[in-house]
Amino acid sequence: LAKTTQPISMDSYEGQEVNITCSHNNIATNDYITWYQQFPSQGPRFIIQGYKTKVTNEVASLFIPADRKSSTLSLPRVSLSDTAVYYCLVGGRTNAGKSTFGDGTTLTVKP
Amino acid sequence: DADVTQTPRNRITKTGKRIMLECSQTKGHDRMYWYRQDPGLGLQLIYYSFDVKDINKGEISDGYSVSRQAQAKFSLSLESAIPNQTALYFCATSSGGGELFFGEGSRLTVL
Repeated sequence: LAKTTQPISMDSYEGQEVNITCSHNNIATNDYITWYQQFPSQGPRFIIQGYKTKVTNEVASLFIPADRKSSTLSLPRVSLSDTAVYYCLVGGRTNAGKSTFGDGTTLTVKP
Repeated sequence: DADVTQTPRNRITKTGKRIMLECSQTKGHDRMYWYRQDPGLGLQLIYYSFDVKDINKGEISDGYSVSRQAQAKFSLSLESAIPNQTALYFCATSSGGGELFFGEGSRLTVL
């Protein structure tokens, strides 16, 4: 299973764009990259998933360079309610639950 | 109602007691997972099941057992609870498409 490395914490202000980068140097050919958001004492919630290039949904964008050894989660115009822990997971799409959760990135959004 | 329901949500018990945490889901997914989360850390996989007759150990299965009673039900047992099993436990499901759906968690305290 691919190991991931993320910054431990990040601070931002309301209205700013936030980019969280994840390194996954030993990503396998069949691995997908998935990001989750977790609020205190709640289960993680799926944000976005991608394999290559760029993926965008209503809440975030995911940028994956050609070598796929890293990925960047982009959150546009964050609000206080985006304060949470963000996890980057790398693994096969059919066995997503076996992907390793690292310690995540704690994002704090300030007013 | 939640798609993935965990019971109990909170439990305090004593060392040596047997504890069962239950998970039920209405999403119709075949794949179910149990995770443990310690304060400030990511989630660690305890056990997972891809169907009723399939049970697999995860990263930290020692001291735990599971039962897949039906497609919709997956229980986690601590045969003889010890204080270092005090943690937040999450159940999750997946259809195999890469997204995990988590329950709201069961907070277990072992005195």
